[in-house]
Amino acid sequence: GDSVTQMEGPVTLSEEAFLTINCTYTATGYPSLFWYVQYPGEGLQLLLKATKADDKGSNKGFEATYRKETTSFHLEKGSVQVSDSAVYFCALRKGQAGTALIFGKGTTLSVSS
Amino acid sequence: DTGVSQNPRHKITKRGQNVTFRCDPISEHNRLYWYRQTLGQGPEFLTYFQNEAQLEKSRLLSDRFSAERPKGSFSTLEIQRTEQGDSAMYLCASSQTFGPETQYFGPGTRLLVL
Repeated sequence: GDSVTQMEGPVTLSEEAFLTINCTYTATGYPSLFWYVQYPGEGLQLLLKATKADDKGSNKGFEATYRKETTSFHLEKGSVQVSDSAVYFCALRKGQAGTALIFGKGTTLSVSS
Repeated sequence: DTGVSQNPRHKITKRGQNVTFRCDPISEHNRLYWYRQTLGQGPEFLTYFQNEAQLEKSRLLSDRFSAERPKGSFSTLEIQRTEQGDSAMYLCASSQTFGPETQYFGPGTRLLVL
């Protein structure tokens, strides 16, 4: 079945370090891909998304490119801040709107000053 | 608009009791989803409504679970005869029916079954 695999956490970085969180997916067809973030004590928030191959989603300095040839959607940020500490979830939605999101297990990021 | 709201935020119950959770979606959103998230895992889909119609149910939604959205606005999720394995965070999300569909999540209801 369809699935999302994320790198195991926790990821611990110093402020201003470069961040990569790997995400690969298994799905037939052309899913839409998402990164959600969950800050401590808060609900899931959409961080960025891409709906077709080679699309790049970006928001708040984070970027991810939809790579169909490698079935990947890795999250990157050039310089992390302490406020980026959160749990990051990669997700896919297969087919058109109205279908469920399939999430990875989440990756915890901890940034220290 | 204050976003998706869920009540209660926390619920502690004894095994065998029934519990009901409520979700109020963003007002103009016709689609409403329920997910369950256990510790260390990503959210897992339970069920989905478009307006008042329940269009999809996951096999995770056992016979003890029932969800309703009677007027196409708020939704309730009831768990009957709770079991310890039902302990989880129950998340609600809503989305529009047009444009680039993005699911907006509520803060969740954390259930602990003793």
